Amino acid sequence: AQSVTQLDSQVPVFEEAPVELRCNYSSSVSVYLFWYVQYPNQGLQLLLKYLSGSTLVKGINGFEAEFNKSQTSFHLRKPSVHISDTAEYFCAVSRTGFQKLVFGTGTRLLVSP
Amino acid sequence: NAGVTQTPKFRVLKTGQSMTLLCAQDMNHEYMYWYRQDPGMGLRLIHYSVGEGTTAKGEVPDGYNVSRLKKQNFLLGLESAAPSQTSVYFCASSGGDSTGELFFGEGSRLTVL
Repeated sequence: AQSVTQLDSQVPVFEEAPVELRCNYSSSVSVYLFWYVQYPNQGLQLLLKYLSGSTLVKGINGFEAEFNKSQTSFHLRKPSVHISDTAEYFCAVSRTGFQKLVFGTGTRLLVSP
Repeated sequence: NAGVTQTPKFRVLKTGQSMTLLCAQDMNHEYMYWYRQDPGMGLRLIHYSVGEGTTAKGEVPDGYNVSRLKKQNFLLGLESAAPSQTSVYFCASSGGDSTGELFFGEGSRLTVL
């Protein structure tokens, strides 16, 4: 079975600073990887996804993530964050050909001026 | 664009009461899911459905029942609510394209006193 680990429950950062949110997964089979963002009092929306091909994936709002198969990681990065990026970010994995996503416990990004 | 709609958005129940959460999607998706979100635990799958008339158990199904009588609707029922079921519930759907990408509703906050 797949599992996802987000080691950082909270990441404080100043506005315009770079940020990396870490995600590691475990699976013995091929997977699809996702990052979702949840703004306060809202549902989750897709930020980006890795299905196949280039290991560097670009998403909305200037975020990008890199799939590293050898390290089983899918870290999320942004070179310069804004106050509006304050949200909770969830990494998720699905086994290729299956429909169920497994979510990590989430990382709360707190951007301050 | 409605997407995935959940009703009600807020509800307070007393222990032992019953209620039903309704999820409706207008994207003609085959797959629908109910998750619960609790602090520090991420999203956990309660039940899911791979098509009209079908349901299956997820990670935390105890105390909940579901029905998918129509393709566009997925109902989550609590027969006898318990304080441990205080949570935010999210419905999601996916189109069955094998990637597992989910589209979420805005959530339903349930408090059981």
